[in-house]
Amino acid sequence: DAGVTQSPTHLIKTRGQQVTLRCSPKSGHDTVSWYQQALGQGPQFIFQYYEEEERQRGNFPDRFSGHQFPNYSSELNVNALLLGDSALYLCASSRRGGQGYEQYFGPGTRLTVT
Amino acid sequence: RKEVEQDPGPFNVPEGATVAFNCTYSNSASQSFFWYRQDCRKEPKLLMSVYSSGNEDGRFTAQLNRASQYISLLIRDSKLSDSATYLCVVLNANDYKLSFGAGTTVTVRA
Repeated sequence: DAGVTQSPTHLIKTRGQQVTLRCSPKSGHDTVSWYQQALGQGPQFIFQYYEEEERQRGNFPDRFSGHQFPNYSSELNVNALLLGDSALYLCASSRRGGQGYEQYFGPGTRLTVT
Repeated sequence: RKEVEQDPGPFNVPEGATVAFNCTYSNSASQSFFWYRQDCRKEPKLLMSVYSSGNEDGRFTAQLNRASQYISLLIRDSKLSDSATYLCVVLNANDYKLSFGAGTTVTVRA
């Protein structure tokens, strides 16, 4: 049973560029959430997708957008990259109605913006 | 004020010791609570969900105090492998968003 997978594992971009990160949820999960984790901080919620729609959103600008596909996989897009966007981007999957709303994380994509 | 606050530590303890630390949350509408463990440069992994007034899983015991809005985690008989950052996570019942604390670092020494 494959867990949550993310690609790529590492990425280096320059300011102003655009980036797309990908996530495949754990088998049986239908909900994908994205988080940004800066060094020394806890993960910060970006948004959540369920049934191919953005259901919840954290305090992130519109430069951050996403998509969910019919197979439940998801993409996170960031436009006009800033140096401050450098972070570990985590995808977490869960099952709607699952006990306690437990989320399981992928290994993350480490984004460096230069 | 942050939604979830934790003592960052670090807590340095010898093998076999008991270590405990707390997490406080500000939103009284919080519904569910979790402890995650995160190793250096790795993803967070669910350690345990916290139900009702608390629960135990092996050497780990979590307690929930809704009146005072805090959650605690206690680790008994610490192992070297328990060295990690422990993240307190709270689910808001109104919007089903998870809020993470910044983590408590525990280092178990031989």
